[in-house]
Amino acid sequence: QQQVKQSPQSLIVQKGGISIINCAYENTAFDYFPWYQQFPGKGPALLIAIRPDVSEKKEGRFTISFNKSAKQFSLHIMDSQPGDSATYFCAASMSTDKLIFGTGTRLQVFP
Amino acid sequence: GAVVSQHPSRVICKSGTSVKIECRSLDFQATTMFWYRQFPKKSLMLMATSNEGSKATYEQGVEKDKFLINHASLTLSTLTVTSAHPEDSSFYICSAREGLRQETQYFGPGTRLLVL
Repeated sequence: QQQVKQSPQSLIVQKGGISIINCAYENTAFDYFPWYQQFPGKGPALLIAIRPDVSEKKEGRFTISFNKSAKQFSLHIMDSQPGDSATYFCAASMSTDKLIFGTGTRLQVFP
Repeated sequence: GAVVSQHPSRVICKSGTSVKIECRSLDFQATTMFWYRQFPKKSLMLMATSNEGSKATYEQGVEKDKFLINHASLTLSTLTVTSAHPEDSSFYICSAREGLRQETQYFGPGTRLLVL
């Protein structure tokens, strides 16, 4: 029940396209859902986060869509760029408790 | 703002020696710090949570005597890998959270440990 399932494992997108990564959770007590971006050999960097009282949050080219009833949330990267090529992790937590991470999605954006 | 540093960025040591990794919050006071381990192309595995001034809480399966964590101040936590062995080789990442009511974790750049 503590798991966060993430898909796809890898994603190849052409420059300018939309990248979509999905996550699903079981624990309805989770109330904080961040997305992290990680480049090889670096630590994860917070991209965007959402709470369950909001169905969508947008920051620049990054949008989180949240479906509370389906217990799913997704990251959309609009106008994907080669510089977006990285591994993306979704996560979930209960308030200030520890983060439960998804398994990661390796995104490759080709020019 | 919200910068977390780690030192060293990479370290090579001989089997049987101990290695200390430092994690610092540079522009905020970190009430809570976390230590993760990451294998190649895998997700982050939480090792322990430490609150300033108290003993760390270790995740199941993590050896407390092998991975010593100290969080002596609001800006510094250390992870010491004692009697390191080749299987301890990994990417170690810390994160820090400001305040007890903040959810956001800010991650350090990671430390690559290679035990020969």
